[in-house]
Amino acid sequence: NAGVTQTPKFQVLKTGQSMTLQCAQDMNHEYMSWYRQDPGMGLRLIHYSVGAGITDQGEVPNGYNVSRSTTEDFPLRLLSAAPSQTSVYFCASSYGLTSGAYEQYFGPGTRLTVT
Amino acid sequence: AQTVTQSQPEMSVQEAETVTLSCTYDTSESDYYLFWYKQPPSRQMILVIRQEAYKQQNATENRFSVNFQKAAKSFSLKISDSQLGDAAMYFCAYRGYGGSQGNLIFGKGTKLSVKP
Repeated sequence: NAGVTQTPKFQVLKTGQSMTLQCAQDMNHEYMSWYRQDPGMGLRLIHYSVGAGITDQGEVPNGYNVSRSTTEDFPLRLLSAAPSQTSVYFCASSYGLTSGAYEQYFGPGTRLTVT
Repeated sequence: AQTVTQSQPEMSVQEAETVTLSCTYDTSESDYYLFWYKQPPSRQMILVIRQEAYKQQNATENRFSVNFQKAAKSFSLKISDSQLGDAAMYFCAYRGYGGSQGNLIFGKGTKLSVKP
């Protein structure tokens, strides 16, 4: 199993550009989520999905879009990048909570810089 | 809304000594999960230990153990026989049941340094 994969690992964008951060998992997990990590702030939830076709907002959703057309993939789209979106982005996945397995598995992260 | 508080932004420990990282949380739920994650300089999030709230027994994983005080809403991590490889950011996290309650809520982290 590759686990949770994220691409790219590093990205530099100019203000106003758009891009998509890719996330994929091969563990047949129902639950997937995106977090951003900023210094001194911990990890904050951007969007999450409890299954294919179902997404919802987290704590800091503004400026980001997601979709979940398959169980495996959960891309995060930045519509018009702003310097405030400079951060490290993590994708995570887990089984649904009824499964009895509660651990979330994290991808390696994407460091995004917006100039 | 649930919150997680880590009151120690930085901690330091001598190699081979024991250190305890503090975490408190706030919730009105009776069933939930608590986790400690380690983030070394590689940036990878690594699960260290987890605790189900319905279990009274404190979780233990090798040199890592927790002191779970449900009534006090406290969940501290004890690292025994500290090693240089334990140097990292440590995050306490809470997870509830179902829907949005299933999302992880993180504290702001504690940076642990290990002195040789």
